[in-house]
Amino acid sequence: DTEVTQTPKHLVMGMTNKKSLKCEQHMGHRAMYWYKQKAKKPPELMFVYSYEKLSINESVPSRFSPECPNSSLLNLHLHALQPEDSALYLCASSQEGPWRQETQYFGPGTRLLVL
Amino acid sequence: AQTVTQSQPEMSVQEAETVTLSCTYDTSESDYYLFWYKQPPSRQMILVIRQEAYKQQNATENRFSVNFQKAAKSFSLKISDSQLGDAAMYFCAYNGGSRLTFGEGTQLTVNP
Repeated sequence: DTEVTQTPKHLVMGMTNKKSLKCEQHMGHRAMYWYKQKAKKPPELMFVYSYEKLSINESVPSRFSPECPNSSLLNLHLHALQPEDSALYLCASSQEGPWRQETQYFGPGTRLLVL
Repeated sequence: AQTVTQSQPEMSVQEAETVTLSCTYDTSESDYYLFWYKQPPSRQMILVIRQEAYKQQNATENRFSVNFQKAAKSFSLKISDSQLGDAAMYFCAYNGGSRLTFGEGTQLTVNP
């Protein structure tokens, strides 16, 4: 089973709202990732958790706040977003972490629109 | 820093024909993995094929195969007997042990 699930599939929010994106995997992986992807562009890495600890933060603005409650779950809390934050947000997982040559498995993404 | 280059922003192929997507990369590492991911209009990023750099044999998955030339740092994807469902954005990616680096992608159109 190589499934990574993400909820919601679509999200529309105003600039003053607070919302959360959720990601879940049941492959026993210990590393989870958030990516942001604009149309017709490759994904851009935002955060990496490995063994439930934040190991990479790619200088992402503080209006994005990641959380890893356990090794199967990954959240991305959103607050006071800007219209330019509208994008597809992809979650991925791998066995241990980005410093190993591992395969990352992606979820279907959450399409976010900020008005 | 590692870079991945896909020189073909767009490609098209007739159904049932064969198409090859190009990818080159730059690295000083000797041990790494290379990947091709497919992203159809649904936007799900799907792993197509993986190649470990230490393996001489080219990876194959059904109609998908790669031509891995380590010395030339080239990693092309061949799709045989193309199907309408193969239409997607294809990303070449490199993982040398720090993070996954993607190319800019090749948009593949399959004509009936």
